[in-house]
Amino acid sequence: ETGVTQTPRHLVMGMTNKKSLKCEQHLGHNAMYWYKQSAKKPLELMFVYNFKEQTENNSVPSRFSPECPNSSHLFLHLHTLQPEDSALYLCASSPSGTGPYGYTFGSGTRLTVV
Amino acid sequence: GEDVEQSLFLSVREGDSSVINCTYTDSSSTYLYWYKQEPGAGLQLLTYIFSNMDMKQDQRLTVLLNKKDKHLSLRIADTQTGDSAIYFCAESLNAGNMLTFGGGTRLMVKP
Repeated sequence: ETGVTQTPRHLVMGMTNKKSLKCEQHLGHNAMYWYKQSAKKPLELMFVYNFKEQTENNSVPSRFSPECPNSSHLFLHLHTLQPEDSALYLCASSPSGTGPYGYTFGSGTRLTVV
Repeated sequence: GEDVEQSLFLSVREGDSSVINCTYTDSSSTYLYWYKQEPGAGLQLLTYIFSNMDMKQDQRLTVLLNKKDKHLSLRIADTQTGDSAIYFCAESLNAGNMLTFGGGTRLMVKP
């Protein structure tokens, strides 16, 4: 365990379903991130939150809706997805501010849209 | 703009040294990182180097930084089959905690 927990590990959903991915960390970090990893784009930044506020939205389609109720939890709400959205979704966290912190990643949720 | 590039694939024999290379474009990089991703897992931080250093060694890992050429490398000595993974380099800039990742290099270690 890295300290960043993602659930579920695997998810299969139909194109008309609504589901949510969850990410949780108790490392005291104030920044949290969603990444999409697929064969086409190895690591694609989706959203960034700092102190619960969204500070980056990398032109992500509105069928992906993030939520950050507090600095320890991050959600990604999914609705009316397309098959091309099938990918590994990675959550990461880091301290805010400069320093050799790097990111701590979760193990990811493997999403398959059918 | 920021751009971090890596070669896609590297194959070595067990016991040999592996050298994974990375180039970046932003000269204001503060820290540079190496991450390892094993199959079905997230990225794990291996090591980092501060931009005013040329080299950092940590057991079997040696990081070399050529700031003039904006070139970063990761050398793995005595490569083992357990080192087979995807390796990502990343840079952080003066502005804060955001990282820019390369596309990853898949290392395959043959017995």
